Amino acid sequence: EAGVAQSPRYKIIEKRQSVAFWCNPISGHATLYWYQQILGQGPKLLIQFQNNGVVDDSQLPKDRFSAERLKGVDSTLKIQPAKLEDSAVYLCASSMTGVPMETQYFGPGTRLLVL
Amino acid sequence: SQKIEQNSEALNIQEGKTATLTCNYTNYSPAYLQWYRQDPGRGPVFLLLIRENEKEKRKERLKVTFDTTLKQSLFHITASQPADSATYLCALASGSARQLTFGSGTQLTVLP
Repeated sequence: EAGVAQSPRYKIIEKRQSVAFWCNPISGHATLYWYQQILGQGPKLLIQFQNNGVVDDSQLPKDRFSAERLKGVDSTLKIQPAKLEDSAVYLCASSMTGVPMETQYFGPGTRLLVL
Repeated sequence: SQKIEQNSEALNIQEGKTATLTCNYTNYSPAYLQWYRQDPGRGPVFLLLIRENEKEKRKERLKVTFDTTLKQSLFHITASQPADSATYLCALASGSARQLTFGSGTQLTVLP
């Protein structure tokens, strides 16, 4: 079974530029998550999708971050404009139904450096 | 405020010994707790889940305990091997919440 795919793996941008990350979840998984992991910290949930609808985006900085999951499969996360504090690894995860307790499967992440 | 704390220091142990990692939480009433492993440059990988009504869970060389009175989970790796070296994350969620909250992780190094 193919895992969660993410691209790019690395991105370096200057502050105030924009950037986009792509995620392809495990086939058939209804729920998709975007996490931000700052160095030395655990992942922090940014947004959760159930199919193509948003379940939770309470921790997404909506003035600069946006995400979509068209057709309930792939998802993109965008930052515009980027700030220095956005430097982090952005992890995408998916799970089969989104039921609490369900295992989440993570992709390798996109490492973002904002200069 | 809600807080999850894991061993603040990195943990170094000798091969063959038992590694014990701690996850303490405050102001949560988690229905369950999960443990993940994360290797450098990779996403977390699920290891074990334990529910609030379970005292202990085992899987091969791994054992997790959950004490809701102490508000603590312990994660044990017996007969540790250098390949067990990684960062271990605990994550918990309350019964009604649909999201996991992760601790900051404990970096474990098993020395040959």
